[in-house]
Amino acid sequence: EIVMTQSPATLSVSPGERATLSCRASQNINNYLAWYQQTPGQAPRLLIFGASTRATGIPARFSGSGSGTEFTLTISSLQSEDFALYYCQQYNYWPPFTFGPGTKVDI
Amino acid sequence: QVHLVQSGGGVVLPGRSLRVSCAASGFTFTDFGMHWVRQAPGKGLEWVAMISYDGKNKYYADSVKGRFTISRDNSENTLYLQMNGLRDEDTAVYYCTKPPGRTFNWFDPWGQGTLVTVSS
Repeated sequence: EIVMTQSPATLSVSPGERATLSCRASQNINNYLAWYQQTPGQAPRLLIFGASTRATGIPARFSGSGSGTEFTLTISSLQSEDFALYYCQQYNYWPPFTFGPGTKVDI
Repeated sequence: QVHLVQSGGGVVLPGRSLRVSCAASGFTFTDFGMHWVRQAPGKGLEWVAMISYDGKNKYYADSVKGRFTISRDNSENTLYLQMNGLRDEDTAVYYCTKPPGRTFNWFDPWGQGTLVTVSS
């Protein structure tokens, strides 16, 4: 099973600042990585797939990078609606499909 | 527009059974595999099960294998998760979700979620 880890667990930033979230896979997953955003009481929303491709309707301030075992989600200028939980997920080796434990972005 | 509308869920005693459903619309249901993902209260996301587009192939997380059964009715565009032998640790919001195609398995969109509470 591929184990996904995320850091930091919590990221405290101010509106307008840049946020950098990290995700690590226990084995090489190539670029088979997705990022999701979840706000309280809501279902997750796909942000990024293929490590760096934005999903439909996702603002350009969200960008993904990385390959292999190290990945990064960057939010270039945080807006109020970006304060949320962020999860990474690998889909290279399955079953199971595995998620990271999440990073909470708060003020 | 793709819609996944979930139903079922509720409070159930440990050891009992429950079925949750997911009605799909806005896409050709028979072209896509489908998944269930759950989230325990205050916890992260856990993939639960997957079914292929034709229902012939099914995959499960070890935590539910032998107790949960994923199925689909392609004539009704509906996905199911039959949960037997429920345990306290199965308490979670269960989401149905769809991959983009048959090759890759990221998840988009997600159903609204349905809460299953296992408690005596």
